[in-house]
Amino acid sequence: KAGVTQTPRYLIKTRGQQVTLSCSPISGHRSVSWYQQTPGQGLQFLFEYFSETQRNKGNFPGRFSGRQFSNSRSEMNVSTLELGDSALYLCASSLTRFGPLHFGNGTRLTVT
Amino acid sequence: KNEVEQSPQNLTAQEGEFITINCSYSVGISALHWLQQHPGGGIVSLFMLSSGKKKHGRLIATINIQEKHSSLHITASHPRDSAVYICAVAYSEETSGSRLTFGEGTQLTVNP
Repeated sequence: KAGVTQTPRYLIKTRGQQVTLSCSPISGHRSVSWYQQTPGQGLQFLFEYFSETQRNKGNFPGRFSGRQFSNSRSEMNVSTLELGDSALYLCASSLTRFGPLHFGNGTRLTVT
Repeated sequence: KNEVEQSPQNLTAQEGEFITINCSYSVGISALHWLQQHPGGGIVSLFMLSSGKKKHGRLIATINIQEKHSSLHITASHPRDSAVYICAVAYSEETSGSRLTFGEGTQLTVNP
């Protein structure tokens, strides 16, 4: 069974641009959650999607958004990139909203 | 102030030693996760527990709900156990199990 797949693995963008990251969950998993990891703030919860609906959002500005498709694949978008958005973005999938989490390898975003 | 406290921050051990990493949290939780992160960035979920004790191979996780404390033990440590170990909790009042609050992590180095 394939694990959680995140694409791309690495991304370099310029301040002011926007970026879209993709996450394909384990087959059958309906919950997808996103996390940001930076050296200064550590790991922080971004949002959770379940059945194509955002169920929860962390304390991030509106520049951070996402969506989930009918096949449970999820994308997150960051608009008007800032230098502080440079981070490792991780996604995790779960069979249910309270089940064990399975993480992807992350997308490392660098904003210059 | 981080609501999930881990100790120690750094730990160096010799191969074969018994290792303990501690995690304390502040209020009631629905679940506590122990995660492992290798230098590449990907995260592996080791345990998800809400009470008692779980064991998987050389790893043991315990939780004391009354004391709001959990420990991760590694028996017969090996250099391949070198990684960052992260404790994360889902607070009881949260409506999602994936809305986690993370500890700062423990960097474990096991020398041969």
